[in-house]
Amino acid sequence: GAVVSQHPSWVICKSGTSVKIECRSLDFQATTMFWYRQFPKQSLMLMATSNEGSKATYEQGVEKDKFLINHASLTLSTLTVTSAHPEDSSFYICSAPKGGSSSYNEQFFGPGTRLTVL
Amino acid sequence: QQQVKQSPQSLIVQKGGISIINCAYENTAFDYFPWYQQFPGKGPALLIAIRPDVSEKKEGRFTISFNKSAKQFSLHIMDSQPGDSATYFCAASMWATGNQFYFGTGTSLTVIP
Repeated sequence: GAVVSQHPSWVICKSGTSVKIECRSLDFQATTMFWYRQFPKQSLMLMATSNEGSKATYEQGVEKDKFLINHASLTLSTLTVTSAHPEDSSFYICSAPKGGSSSYNEQFFGPGTRLTVL
Repeated sequence: QQQVKQSPQSLIVQKGGISIINCAYENTAFDYFPWYQQFPGKGPALLIAIRPDVSEKKEGRFTISFNKSAKQFSLHIMDSQPGDSATYFCAASMWATGNQFYFGTGTSLTVIP
């Protein structure tokens, strides 16, 4: 199957700093990628849809100025958590549909990034 | 609003037994129903998926049963093994929204040796 990678796999930062998480589709191009947040023993919550070459679409309640998304190329989307606080500590997961958003294809998920804000 | 409802929240099964997880949805526009398996600290991995034009799909020990009229679908794991112990998520999506997925709340499966 297709491969989606995330970097870093875990990060610890101090409160007030910014953290960038990368999501890469390694063997296919993705015009759309999705960012999820997952709390312990809970489901995945969609945060935003990352669109290559255009602005991301954020779900209701997600602060776009806090969670900056940039989809710079067909294989890379980045999520930057700005001025991170302890409540931002979570497991962040990205996914990409192989073939792009216009085709009926399965989602491939990255391995996730564990963010801990001290 | 929870688009996809999943039950049970947790499940304990003896090795060799059958694990059954159920999901229900409301939006009849959904046209793709995958099941994902997630181990602690890892991203979800696709297990099996079904589209509404069939009522059942089987891959190895995993079977999806789909009831379009009832708007329900379920995952059956036959001959459950300790290695199947993980969290399982059902999901639903519609082609028209560009593969945006709506996940169930998850089921933590423990298979006892």
